[in-house]
Amino acid sequence: GENVEQHPSTLSVQEGDSAVIKCTYSDSASNYFPWYKQELGKRPQLIIDIRSNVGEKKDQRIAVTLNKTAKHFSLHITETQPEDSAVYFCAARGLYSGAGSYQLTFGKGTKLSVIP
Amino acid sequence: GAVVSQHPSRVICKSGTSVKIECRSLDFQATTMFWYRQFPKQSLMLMATSNEGSKATYEQGVEKDKFLINHASLTLSTLTVTSAHPEDSSFYICSARDRGNSYNEQFFGPGTRLTVL
Repeated sequence: GENVEQHPSTLSVQEGDSAVIKCTYSDSASNYFPWYKQELGKRPQLIIDIRSNVGEKKDQRIAVTLNKTAKHFSLHITETQPEDSAVYFCAARGLYSGAGSYQLTFGKGTKLSVIP
Repeated sequence: GAVVSQHPSRVICKSGTSVKIECRSLDFQATTMFWYRQFPKQSLMLMATSNEGSKATYEQGVEKDKFLINHASLTLSTLTVTSAHPEDSSFYICSARDRGNSYNEQFFGPGTRLTVL
């Protein structure tokens, strides 16, 4: 099955600096890579996603890049703000199993702390 | 946007009792719902995939007789933790895939914190 590795596990940045979180995946057939932000005790919220036919996607201060050859994708947050502090999870969708599952495999998460 | 609700949000029960958690898609039809378990400071671990009208597919290591899943309609899936024990205490989160979404976006419920005494 799919295996997703995420680094770093914790990340502290000064307010206004950029933060980068990296993930690698194992299944070359994966074609969908979402990023989720989870605040303590709350549900994961989709913040950005990228599909395998695109190399980069931006949404204001957030961008995601995908390198299919190397099987890695990264989340970039610029001009970080204290409210960006949360746990971020990357995920990858592996092979469609035929049962309509569209399962996501999650990375272990990165705790981002933005220091004012 | 797509909304998924979960009930209850928090439950405390005695060891040996069963607990039912509901997951509902409020404004879309979900042919597939997923159940995750999350321990403190850890990632989401997929427990099972629930397809409407058919049996759930459980991940390796997840006891199907302990975690009963029913997906009786396109908007409701339930997870029943049977004979709960303290080690079952965790944050359980469901997600639903929008039938009308041509890709893979999943929408998460707010989670249920289960504490077994």
